[in-house]
Amino acid sequence: QTVVTQEPSLSVSPGGTVTLTCGLNSGSVSTTHYASWYQQTPGQTPRPLMYNTNTRSSGVPDRFSGTILGNRAALTITGAQADDESDYYCVLHVSGDIYVFGPGTKVTVL
Amino acid sequence: QVRLHESGPGLVETSETLSLTCSVSGGSVTPYWWSWIRQPPGKGLEWIAYIYYNGDTNYNPSLKSRATLSVDTSKNQLSLKMTSVAAADTAVYYCVRYGFYHFDTWGQGILVTVSS
Repeated sequence: QTVVTQEPSLSVSPGGTVTLTCGLNSGSVSTTHYASWYQQTPGQTPRPLMYNTNTRSSGVPDRFSGTILGNRAALTITGAQADDESDYYCVLHVSGDIYVFGPGTKVTVL
Repeated sequence: QVRLHESGPGLVETSETLSLTCSVSGGSVTPYWWSWIRQPPGKGLEWIAYIYYNGDTNYNPSLKSRATLSVDTSKNQLSLKMTSVAAADTAVYYCVRYGFYHFDTWGQGILVTVSS
């Protein structure tokens, strides 16, 4: 069974930089997994942030960036702001043409 | 701008069938792919399945035996049916448009509670 991994929680100072990662229990993440990222605040609908590893969704500021870091997909927030405090989910396209979400990373800005 | 609206019963009894509809406005179901994603209260997201406007589907293997997606192009609607529900199926169910390998437009979601 394919399992996607994410850090349970991360914290960042206002104006600071934080990197979230998205891994696979079965091996390395590559661009062929078409990693995408979603931001969700409590009670709200998930908001698309990034797709195809490093393409920002419409309206997403350029302080959000995506890449492959080693064997994981990564989402970096540069110049963190208070309203970046959210849950962040990655999802990977895996064998069988299916999608698997990670458990989410709770980002705290303090 | 396309908008998605999920509807259906908010309460379903254990072992019964969950039936949800997604109405698409401001756009057409064609020629897109569409997906359903759910989120149990306080937990993470789970992909259920996706469907093309022509009816082609693919399902999460863990739900494949119980979930069925369909599309009605004449009504511009999608539907999800899930049989033999249990408490673990209690979740917010989202109807989502599926773009280039990502979920680009989300409905507001509908909370479905499975109760005995």
